[in-house]
Amino acid sequence: AQTVTQSQPEMSVQEAETVTLSCTYDTSESDYYLFWYKQPPSRQMILVIRQEAYKQQNATENRFSVNFQKAAKSFSLKISDSQLGDAAMYFCASLTQGGSEKLVFGKGTKLTVNP
Amino acid sequence: SQTIHQWPATLVQPVGSPLSLECTVEGTSNPNLYWYRQAAGRGLQLLFYSVGIGQISSEVPQNLSASRPQDRQFILSSKKLLLSDSGFYLCAWSVWGFEETQYFGPGTRLLVL
Repeated sequence: AQTVTQSQPEMSVQEAETVTLSCTYDTSESDYYLFWYKQPPSRQMILVIRQEAYKQQNATENRFSVNFQKAAKSFSLKISDSQLGDAAMYFCASLTQGGSEKLVFGKGTKLTVNP
Repeated sequence: SQTIHQWPATLVQPVGSPLSLECTVEGTSNPNLYWYRQAAGRGLQLLFYSVGIGQISSEVPQNLSASRPQDRQFILSSKKLLLSDSGFYLCAWSVWGFEETQYFGPGTRLLVL
């Protein structure tokens, strides 16, 4: 069974600084995907970034990038030049192809951005 | 572009009453559809998923059921709500073989009293 662990219940960062959110996962499959979703106070889940496990290159989306360490089963999210609008819950999730295409979520990290 | 709608946005229901939450997707055909529940301060738990009309798979046995009467419509129901059914319900869609990414609707807040 897949599991996703986020060891940081809360993090804070100063505006314009950089913060890294941690995530580890466990799967026996070789073909899978990893995601970071953002959940602002409105509670809608918004895709931040996606990583295919077969790709060695780390995914980037503007100020968001990941550090994907496949052997260590680690998938951290780096937010550069943090903005007040980045304040939210961040969830790491994994998906294994085949079957239900079920997303397995971590418990989330609450990010506070201080002005 | 694709959009996903959920209604109602908020619902307060007494214990023992029925439930019907609706989700519709626009701008795509034959999507995979999902119902998730998020309890307070927790991650999301998959409840049901559907790969086509009338095809429903349940992940967690419970007081709820799901139906897919049309290609882009997904309904979550209950005959008798329990207190434990309170939570935030999210519908999501994906397209098989395309990015393997699920996109979520705005959600429904359900409070059972």
